[in-house]
Amino acid sequence: GAGVSQSPSNKVTEKGKDVELRCDPISGHTALYWYRQSLGQGLEFLIYFQGNSAPDKSGLPSDRFSAERTGGSVSTLTIQRTQQEDSAVYLCASSLAPAGGGNTIYFGEGSWLTVV
Amino acid sequence: QKEVEQNSGPLSVPEGAIASLNCTYSDRGSQSFFWYRQYSGKSPELIMFIYSNGDKEDGRFTAQLNKASQYVSLLIRDSQPSDSATYLCAVNMKGNNRLAFGKGNQVVVIP
Repeated sequence: GAGVSQSPSNKVTEKGKDVELRCDPISGHTALYWYRQSLGQGLEFLIYFQGNSAPDKSGLPSDRFSAERTGGSVSTLTIQRTQQEDSAVYLCASSLAPAGGGNTIYFGEGSWLTVV
Repeated sequence: QKEVEQNSGPLSVPEGAIASLNCTYSDRGSQSFFWYRQYSGKSPELIMFIYSNGDKEDGRFTAQLNKASQYVSLLIRDSQPSDSATYLCAVNMKGNNRLAFGKGNQVVVIP
């Protein structure tokens, strides 16, 4: 596609439920990133994929958070047993090659998660 | 020390003036530096990137990098109301494949 696509754009869920957030990166982009942005805060790194592998998952805040990527394309971020502090915008980004080479990353519009 | 720091509070500038934003980073080995603009309720969009010491100009935007001082700045000349947004500084550290972001600086251009 032309840009990074994320779904759902908005999600309201009850505390304790599981949620899945989907990201479809720009076609041909091998690197994929998940970030989280809470209200009025900066971007918090969660996980980085190169192809289907996740060499850096250091930002996942707890074992309730997991992510996978299949076919070197679509990625899913899963949050189990959601808590109110999980409420944030979850931003997916992709780049042609890893950011370590100075490659630019491009963001999707985000999935706004509200846990009530 | 935070990886990327943007300490200034909201910046108000009159239309047509220069807005100056500053960013410092902790890792001396950092190699590439980015400025993103984020409108309220929207995702970040890339404005500029810079890899080498000195200035890089693109239209009304100028990025300045000083690796010795671990400092990168963004100047917005002839500020327009459409420049009102939050500006995020991002740094790629050596040996790392992610971007570390600062908290951002809000700019308000007053007509």
